[in-house]
Amino acid sequence: DGGITQSPKYLFRKEGQNVTLSCEQNLNHDAMYWYRQDPGQGLRLIYYSQIVNDFQKGDIAEGYSVSREKKESFPLTVTSAQKNPTAFYLCASSPTGTGFSGANVLTFGAGSRLTVL
Amino acid sequence: GEDVEQSLFLSVREGDSSVINCTYTDSSSTYLYWYKQEPGAGLQLLTYIFSNMDMKQDQRLTVLLNKKDKHLSLRIADTQTGDSAIYFCAEKAYNTDKLIFGTGTRLQVFP
Repeated sequence: DGGITQSPKYLFRKEGQNVTLSCEQNLNHDAMYWYRQDPGQGLRLIYYSQIVNDFQKGDIAEGYSVSREKKESFPLTVTSAQKNPTAFYLCASSPTGTGFSGANVLTFGAGSRLTVL
Repeated sequence: GEDVEQSLFLSVREGDSSVINCTYTDSSSTYLYWYKQEPGAGLQLLTYIFSNMDMKQDQRLTVLLNKKDKHLSLRIADTQTGDSAIYFCAEKAYNTDKLIFGTGTRLQVFP
């Protein structure tokens, strides 16, 4: 079955450590996204990538980094510079990239919950 | 800038209709979406509507769009306990890939 796999589902980190969240999709989608979810604040866009080897900052990119070396994979690194990293992180993908004027339907993974101790 | 607002909570009795509301600010919005999130899970697309439509129905779900007032609603008929979840409204402006999400409305269904 096609879909998006995020791992790990739960992750605990000590302050000062970097952690990397994995996101893999087998939907052959061009675009991939990382969102952060906090209670009462909805989803906020961290980074997105419309094509391999290219990505753009979203609304809250500070303290995060990404790479897009393969179409299927879009890992997110939460660095020690992120001041409040405890959150639920959601990865998504969609079929098309830049300038698409149709409905851009996002498919989401099941999420990764990061807790900083 | 773009902004999408929703009320945070809604509580309904099983069997009643639920109406979840959403307002947005971007007048160039072309598509508007409703997503559902069950506890500890990702978001699932429920439905979406193109901005030149004012209503879309899909089984128990009815979406109403008032473009003049920039108001979107999702009506769930015969609400069941399995409908308890967080419902997100989202909008997409013309010629962009990004979706802007609202804060989500937590729907609680009681017997």
